[in-house]
Amino acid sequence: RKEVEQDPGPFNVPEGATVAFNCTYSNSASQSFFWYRQDCRKEPKLLMSVYSSGNEDGRFTAQLNRASQYISLLIRDSKLSDSATYLCVVRSNSGYSTLTFGKGTMLLVSP
Amino acid sequence: DAGVIQSPRHEVTEMGQEVTLRCKPISGHNSLFWYRQTMMRGLELLIYFNNNVPIDDSGMPEDRFSAKMPNASFSTLKIQPSEPRDSAVYFCASREGNTEAFFGQGTRLTVV
Repeated sequence: RKEVEQDPGPFNVPEGATVAFNCTYSNSASQSFFWYRQDCRKEPKLLMSVYSSGNEDGRFTAQLNRASQYISLLIRDSKLSDSATYLCVVRSNSGYSTLTFGKGTMLLVSP
Repeated sequence: DAGVIQSPRHEVTEMGQEVTLRCKPISGHNSLFWYRQTMMRGLELLIYFNNNVPIDDSGMPEDRFSAKMPNASFSTLKIQPSEPRDSAVYFCASREGNTEAFFGQGTRLTVV
């Protein structure tokens, strides 16, 4: 099983739609979780961290389910500018911690 | 701060040639990562430095790849000899402690 798995998509949604992505991770010792966003031919950038209690940032809501080892990202009222690839990222706490990236889920928002 | 700076942005080279990618991390960041991104495998961690010391190089594909960090403000990733399957986007990222990682704009390498 891969360390971090995501549905590659693409998810094609109209403007204004609500869309959700899930991500599963295999290492139960993982401690920190993030969603990064990557635009076409650009570098990944942090979108938001994922906290155990769930967190919201404007139209974006992230949730963590430790028991089932999955993370979700919900985008409400999709904008054209939300079109990008969303990368699920997991950090382990074993020794020096590194970040493990999923392959990403592509979102395409159309007018 | 200018962010993580990578050079060159694009590199096209012939198979068998040596390729050197460069990275300047954000000042004050004590961790540096080299990642490789392809459509097939996504973002793969190649090597991770902490305080200029290589901590985890298990992702380095083979002996043709080597990385150095001679000081806190500079790192190189070298491929010698290069092969067509090395074609990818190579990202350098840095961070302070366990905060978010900041990525450079990447080097798009094409080996023909």
